Amino acid sequence: NAGVTQTPKFQVLKTGQSMTLQCAQDMNHEYMSWYRQDPGMGLRLIHYSVGAGITDQGEVPNGYNVSRSTTEDFPLRLLSAAPSQTSVYFCASSRRPQAGDGHTQYFGPGTRLTVL
Amino acid sequence: DAKTTQPTSMDCAEGRAANLPCNHSTISGNEYVYWYRQIHSQGPQYIIHGLKNNETNEMASLIITEDRKSSTLILPHATLRDTAVYYCIVRTSGYSTLTFGKGTMLLVSP
Repeated sequence: NAGVTQTPKFQVLKTGQSMTLQCAQDMNHEYMSWYRQDPGMGLRLIHYSVGAGITDQGEVPNGYNVSRSTTEDFPLRLLSAAPSQTSVYFCASSRRPQAGDGHTQYFGPGTRLTVL
Repeated sequence: DAKTTQPTSMDCAEGRAANLPCNHSTISGNEYVYWYRQIHSQGPQYIIHGLKNNETNEMASLIITEDRKSSTLILPHATLRDTAVYYCIVRTSGYSTLTFGKGTMLLVSP
């Protein structure tokens, strides 16, 4: 059971380039999310998905696209990279909340992105 | 979701118990208390959660006061690998994303 995996671990882009951050989970979780973490800012939600074919925006969605064609994968696309998108990106997954239970998320190891 | 207040940093000697406090005075009846930690350069890791009763798992214990306005995370025998930022989060059941504050930086020393 690999849990949540993310690729690449590190990436350097030039302003204006596009790229896709990959996220996969093998726990059959329905819910998946993308966060970014900047120094002193905590984690901020970019996009999330509650199931295949269903996505929604989070707190800071501008400049990012997502799609969810399978339960396992939730890629994050940077359309035209900007220096402000330099950050550490975390993907998380969780099962559908059970009645009377909380909602535990499992995080991947992160992708460290630098935009020059 | 209710706001939480945690100390900025704490120190603990290796092998001793680490007791990390969290205040959540505006917590409502259906809100859970969650603890996560983030070891340097890694993704956040779930530790434990609870609603009213004290909880224990293989990593830690969670003590919630009777009025639920505060809680304490206990790492019974801290090791150097427990050095991390610990986040206390209060949220309702059902799906919603996590809001991480600044947390407590726990430094475990030999």
